[in-house]
Amino acid sequence: QVQLVQSGAELKKPGSSVKVSCTASGGTFTRFAITWVRQAPGQGLEWMGRIIPFLDVANYGQKFQGRVTITADKSTSTAYMELSSLRFDDTAVYFCARGGEYEKTGYKPTAFDIWGQGTMVTVSS
Amino acid sequence: EIVLTQSPGTLSLSPGERATLSCRASQSVTSSYLAWYQQRPGQTPRLLIYGASSRATGIPDRFSGSGSGTDFTLTISRLEPEDFAVYYCQQYANSPPTFGGGTKVEIK
Repeated sequence: QVQLVQSGAELKKPGSSVKVSCTASGGTFTRFAITWVRQAPGQGLEWMGRIIPFLDVANYGQKFQGRVTITADKSTSTAYMELSSLRFDDTAVYFCARGGEYEKTGYKPTAFDIWGQGTMVTVSS
Repeated sequence: EIVLTQSPGTLSLSPGERATLSCRASQSVTSSYLAWYQQRPGQTPRLLIYGASSRATGIPDRFSGSGSGTDFTLTISRLEPEDFAVYYCQQYANSPPTFGGGTKVEIK
């Protein structure tokens, strides 16, 4: 069964960047989409974007356009989410999850069935 | 984007009672691509229901989902102590995928 393991907690200063990794083990990586979701303290879930490693194509939420970059390294089954120009309100837990599948007929959306353990990113001066 | 509105915000119930959670979409959700997640404090969200009514692997049958179009429901037939948590609905038909604001099921 596929597991997603994320990198550890980060403490960053406003204006800097953070890069979080998400490594898949135990199953096929490339044909599924890896999506990124964040959750600010005490708040709900917010979709940031996704990548389909097979196609090396990423899509981003409008709120994060221009500040987020999602990439994937197929050789290590690892996806990355980099968020730049960090602000205090970017303090949140960042999750990766498996959602969406690339088939012969094209992209098929799926629910997010496997999640990483989450990475706490704290933005503080 | 599709906006999902969950109600009530908080549901106060006792173990053994039935819980009914609602999720309303601002426009029709194609192919009933509607999911429900459970999140316990300090834990990762867990997929309960996908396709509006299909239980995910390992989910007990006291959890059931129903609905189509713009109105969806998650029902927990008899609450167990571990079911007190926050529940989110999500549509994944349209991009961007969106989540509802959540319903907290708390012990009365």
